[in-house]
Amino acid sequence: GAVVSQHPSWVICKSGTSVKIECRSLDFQATTMFWYRQFPKQSLMLMATSNEGSKATYEQGVEKDKFLINHASLTLSTLTVTSAHPEDSSFYICSADTTGTRGSYEQYFGPGTRLTVT
Amino acid sequence: GESVGLHLPTLSVQEGDNSIINCAYSNSASDYFIWYKQESGKGPQFIIDIRSNMDKRQGQRVTVLLNKTVKHLSLQIAATQPGDSAVYFCAENGGSNYKLTFGKGTLLTVNP
Repeated sequence: GAVVSQHPSWVICKSGTSVKIECRSLDFQATTMFWYRQFPKQSLMLMATSNEGSKATYEQGVEKDKFLINHASLTLSTLTVTSAHPEDSSFYICSADTTGTRGSYEQYFGPGTRLTVT
Repeated sequence: GESVGLHLPTLSVQEGDNSIINCAYSNSASDYFIWYKQESGKGPQFIIDIRSNMDKRQGQRVTVLLNKTVKHLSLQIAATQPGDSAVYFCAENGGSNYKLTFGKGTLLTVNP
């Protein structure tokens, strides 16, 4: 149980285009989903917290107009990288809170999406 | 967040040996800690967790030790196997109910 999927697993796009990454909880409902970015040989950095039906909360230094997050249902959150540039190339990972209530620490992670901007 | 260099701390062990991976955390408000394993090109996988009211917790082949006095966390892996080769991250909650902050990570390499 508690499986999180991401699509696509990897994507290559041209500079200036937008890319959408999907995060799905397959066998549970996730009120809260999290988006992380990970550069090579570095740790995971939280980008934003996504709550179903409300606006995402972005971490300091993360441009909300560049990284659009939509959490339209209890099983799906999307991250759209707008006007992508080579410096946005990274490994994007989502996670989901299984209980749907604050106080849960049970974050299950997706397999990640490798974005390469050329 | 804290800038991390391009070189992860590394630990190389022989198959069958015990491994100890260390982590220093910075937020004294943290009351919940988790160890994750990340294989190349994959998302983090939960290994074991511990709350601040404990100083030791054991799982299958793994033990987590917490020293709140010096803000130190360690992961011990018994009888390390080649399949344990991965990057290991500690994470702390900073006193938050839901947000995690990840440590720098340690690359564990198990030699057969």
